[in-house]
Amino acid sequence: LAKTTQPISMDSYEGQEVNITCSHNNIATNDYITWYQQFPSQGPRFIIQGYKTKVTNEVASLFIPADRKSSTLSLPRVSLSDTAVYYCLVGPSGSARQLTFGSGTQLTVLP
Amino acid sequence: DTEVTQTPKHLVMGMTNKKSLKCEQHMGHRAMYWYKQKAKKPPELMFVYSYEKLSINESVPSRFSPECPNSSLLNLHLHALQPEDSALYLCASSPRDGGGANVLTFGAGSRLTVL
Repeated sequence: LAKTTQPISMDSYEGQEVNITCSHNNIATNDYITWYQQFPSQGPRFIIQGYKTKVTNEVASLFIPADRKSSTLSLPRVSLSDTAVYYCLVGPSGSARQLTFGSGTQLTVLP
Repeated sequence: DTEVTQTPKHLVMGMTNKKSLKCEQHMGHRAMYWYKQKAKKPPELMFVYSYEKLSINESVPSRFSPECPNSSLLNLHLHALQPEDSALYLCASSPRDGGGANVLTFGAGSRLTVL
């Protein structure tokens, strides 16, 4: 079961690029890396998913080095509305039991 | 329809009450999940249904009883709850159970308060 480690919190200012790194040293060969965003009193929302190298969509980029032991979520030009908790999930390689959320990163965007 | 709908949004119940939380999706997903989330904590997996059969029960107390009447509906029946069961209960669905590229779609949650 791949365990993830993220910073507990980060602060940024509007308009800046934010990079949140997740460590997952025991990632398995067939594990994917998925990031979710959660606002208070709402369900998590899928942001981006990747397996290796770089993935980009309309809201974020995900950078995964060759050894896949970490990943970095990049949010370009954040706004106040990006203030949320960001979770990195790794897996599952089999059962959905392995869809376990880590502690997440509280991102606060300041004006 | 790309949503997971949960009702009610808020529920207050006494420790002797029986109530139910409901979840519905029309995306054709074949796996559905219940998570529990306490304040400032990550969601914790409770149950997983795969093709309408219970595939995972994360040692949840029997006062929580899940039910999957069909592939679109998921219920969580609540009976004799404790105040510490107060939390946000999240329903999610995914195209299938497990698998490397599994992506969950979550509902907005039901906020439960047990008095």
